[in-house]
Amino acid sequence: QLQLQESGPGLVQPSETLSLTCTVSGVSISGNNFYWGWIRQPPGKGLEWIGTIYFSGRTYYNPSLKSRVTLSVDTSKNHFSLKLNSVTAADAAAYFCARDVMGDGFFDLWGRGTLVTVSS
Amino acid sequence: EIVLTQFPGTLSVSPGERATLSCRASQSVSNSYLAWYQQRPGQAPRLLIHAASSRATGIPDRFSGSGSGTDFTLTISSLEPEDFAVYSCQQYGSSPLTFGGGTKVEIK
Repeated sequence: QLQLQESGPGLVQPSETLSLTCTVSGVSISGNNFYWGWIRQPPGKGLEWIGTIYFSGRTYYNPSLKSRVTLSVDTSKNHFSLKLNSVTAADAAAYFCARDVMGDGFFDLWGRGTLVTVSS
Repeated sequence: EIVLTQFPGTLSVSPGERATLSCRASQSVSNSYLAWYQQRPGQAPRLLIHAASSRATGIPDRFSGSGSGTDFTLTISSLEPEDFAVYSCQQYGSSPLTFGGGTKVEIK
């Protein structure tokens, strides 16, 4: 069954690094021109694109977060990852991973999301 | 970056009625690269429409999208119980990708 599943700590301390992984099942992460993205949604607010990665490692970042974000991919484990450093309360959100077919920029398959709280 | 404004913020509709949701862009969306998503609580967002009017695979034909330039519309012709959810638009015509704030469709 084709699905994406986010995983990682639900609580991160201020100034620390948020690390999440998206495990892809049912399809190869390196197949068919698939691109893989991260999107977040603070409580009660709209969605915000964080960045997108291709299996080759090529990345595309939102300029508003680029200085703090690193995306990576591990084809052997069929997963991709997000690291966001120097987090503040403003980074508390539900984090979603998603698939972008052909790199067009829209997302045809999403994970259910994982909620990250920033607090000491 | 392109700012997307969705209105109304909340739409109260009775089952079986028609719902019309709007998404306005701060500047023209290139090639009408505008998508719509549905979000139900606790579920993964679902792609409904891309390229302003193309229904995604498996999406019922009661969902339709239209528009170009800066003004886009999602129409649900006859609301089913499972359609009460939050709907978000997204432009992918220019970077960074941006989303609207969402419209909540609630039962009247």
